[in-house]
Amino acid sequence: EADIYQTPRYLVIGTGKKITLECSQTMGHDKMYWYQQDPGMELHLIHYSYGVNSTEKGDLSSESTVSRIRTEHFPLTLESARPSHTSQYLCASSDPGRGDGYTFGSGTRLTVV
Amino acid sequence: SQQGEEDPQALSIQEGENATMNCSYKTSINNLQWYRQNSGRGLVHLILIRSNEREKHSGRLRVTLDTSKKSSSLLITASRAADTASYFCATVRSNYKLTFGKGTLLTVNP
Repeated sequence: EADIYQTPRYLVIGTGKKITLECSQTMGHDKMYWYQQDPGMELHLIHYSYGVNSTEKGDLSSESTVSRIRTEHFPLTLESARPSHTSQYLCASSDPGRGDGYTFGSGTRLTVV
Repeated sequence: SQQGEEDPQALSIQEGENATMNCSYKTSINNLQWYRQNSGRGLVHLILIRSNEREKHSGRLRVTLDTSKKSSSLLITASRAADTASYFCATVRSNYKLTFGKGTLLTVNP
């Protein structure tokens, strides 16, 4: 049902590795977002983008970076993963002009060992 | 701090009963949204209510919004086991960003 895709679904990686979490949407939404969520907890906005070449830091400080070179693609990169980065990362997009809510991907559950 | 706070944190009911979850927030909003999250998955948008609306229905869902009290409620009628999930309210201000509450874990027992 969702037109927003995140890969990988699960990732277990060693400390110090560089990782990129992929997020793509086929709805042509200008606005895209990355949220971080620990188990049983609320979602925290870590990055957002209002369009191509536009990226901003969210409300929760994060060592990750993002890029928005194409409308449909909004990858998140960690240059050097640490155990403190272990969490679930959720990507979302929206079209506020339509009055609908956000569309979320299924998330990437990252474990850094 | 987070904009929205849900109450209760956890709710356990029997199939067929109604479930009511409440949400409070702190600042003025454009709209308020409710989402469902099944265990370990992404969020699914349920319903959006604008700041100038007081009540909205969608199927078995009924949402109310009281901007004077900065609060909202989500009612699920005739609950089913498949409604078991976490439910989050989220507020939107003028910057399009969603700010989430801590969520209510709903368990519907068959």
